Amino acid sequence: AQKVTQAQTEISVVEKEDVTLDCVYETRDTTYYLFWYKQPPSGELVFLIRRNSFDEQNEISGRYSWNFQKSTSSFNFTITASQVVDSAVYFCALSDRAQKLVFGQGTRLTINP
Amino acid sequence: SQTIHQWPATLVQPVGSPLSLECTVEGTSNPNLYWYRQAAGRGLQLLFYSVGIGQISSEVPQNLSASRPQDRQFILSSKKLLLSDSGFYLCAWSGGEGRNTEAFFGQGTRLTVV
Repeated sequence: AQKVTQAQTEISVVEKEDVTLDCVYETRDTTYYLFWYKQPPSGELVFLIRRNSFDEQNEISGRYSWNFQKSTSSFNFTITASQVVDSAVYFCALSDRAQKLVFGQGTRLTINP
Repeated sequence: SQTIHQWPATLVQPVGSPLSLECTVEGTSNPNLYWYRQAAGRGLQLLFYSVGIGQISSEVPQNLSASRPQDRQFILSSKKLLLSDSGFYLCAWSGGEGRNTEAFFGQGTRLTVV
């Protein structure tokens, strides 16, 4: 069965610090997809990134970067020079061949001014 | 472009009453459809997902059910609500047709059972 674990329930940092959100996944499929979503206080879920299991290249988008390592079944998310607007709950998710999309428990990130 | 509509936005229902939440998607065909529940301060729990009409997978045993009467319509129902059914319900769709695209979410329904 597939599973996503976000061990960090809450993280609080001061603005401009770098912060990494951890995500560890489990699946028996060799083909799968990983995602990160952001949920600001308003409640809607905002898609950030998708990665397939065959593409281990790290990705950078502005202050955001993602590190995908199949050897450790991890897909970690780093925010560089954090800002107050980054405060939100962040979810990691996994989709398998059956297209069942499962989310982790989320990490509540608070950026303090 | 594709859009997803979910209603109502908020709902207060007494214990034992029925429930019907509706979700529709526009601008795509044969999408995957999902229902999630998020309890206060908690993660997203997958309740049901469907990869096609008449194909519903239930993830959590409970007094909720789901139906997909049309290709782009997904309905979450209950015959008798429990207090524990309170939460934030989210509908989502993804590419379908074997394509594992990202999922797009509706605005959610905040259900309070009293």
